[in-house]
Amino acid sequence: DIQMTQSPSSLSASVGDRVSITCQASQDISNYLNWYQQKPGKAPKLLIYDASNLETGVPSRFSGSGSGTDFTFTISSLRPEDIATYYCQQYDVVPPRVTFGPGTKVDIK
Amino acid sequence: QVQLVQSGAEVKKPGVSVKVSCKASGDTFSDHYMHWVRQAPAQGLEWMGRINPKSGDTIHAHRFQGRVTMTRDTSISTAYMELGSLRSDDTAVYYCAREGGYDKVAFDLWGQGTMVTVSS
Repeated sequence: DIQMTQSPSSLSASVGDRVSITCQASQDISNYLNWYQQKPGKAPKLLIYDASNLETGVPSRFSGSGSGTDFTFTISSLRPEDIATYYCQQYDVVPPRVTFGPGTKVDIK
Repeated sequence: QVQLVQSGAEVKKPGVSVKVSCKASGDTFSDHYMHWVRQAPAQGLEWMGRINPKSGDTIHAHRFQGRVTMTRDTSISTAYMELGSLRSDDTAVYYCAREGGYDKVAFDLWGQGTMVTVSS
């Protein structure tokens, strides 16, 4: 099975800062990489799909890039409402297998 | 408004099974794969498997093989996940999540979650 790693596991930044999270796959997953935001006590929310496509209704300060094994998720200007845990997810289509990264907790400094 | 509404919290004893439901409204139920994801307390997300509501075909994660059953009732737009031989480490929030489709291989709609507590 494909393994996913994320770094850092947590970070603390100031409002307005640029924040980046990296996700690495144990093998080439093309662009089958998605990013989710989860706030405490809530279900995850899709932000980015296919590595770089912004989900409808998601603010443009969120972005994603990468392909193959290395991916980056960026918040261009951190806002207080962005406090959450962010997960990357790979989706292996044949055979269907899904793996989530361990998550990155983002706090305000 | 498209939404997934899950059944309520459950408390179960070790060794028995639990069945969680996920009702889709405002959308064409059979057009999207439905996945199940769980999250143990203070832990990350774990994929359990998916069902094709149109055919009933299922794929499960290796670690749940033989213990999980995914079904659906298209007449009421509801998917079910039954987990058997419950253990204390099955205590978690269980989510259903809709896959967007061939052009969006991602989970674009989630249920609110169902807390399952396994305790003697």
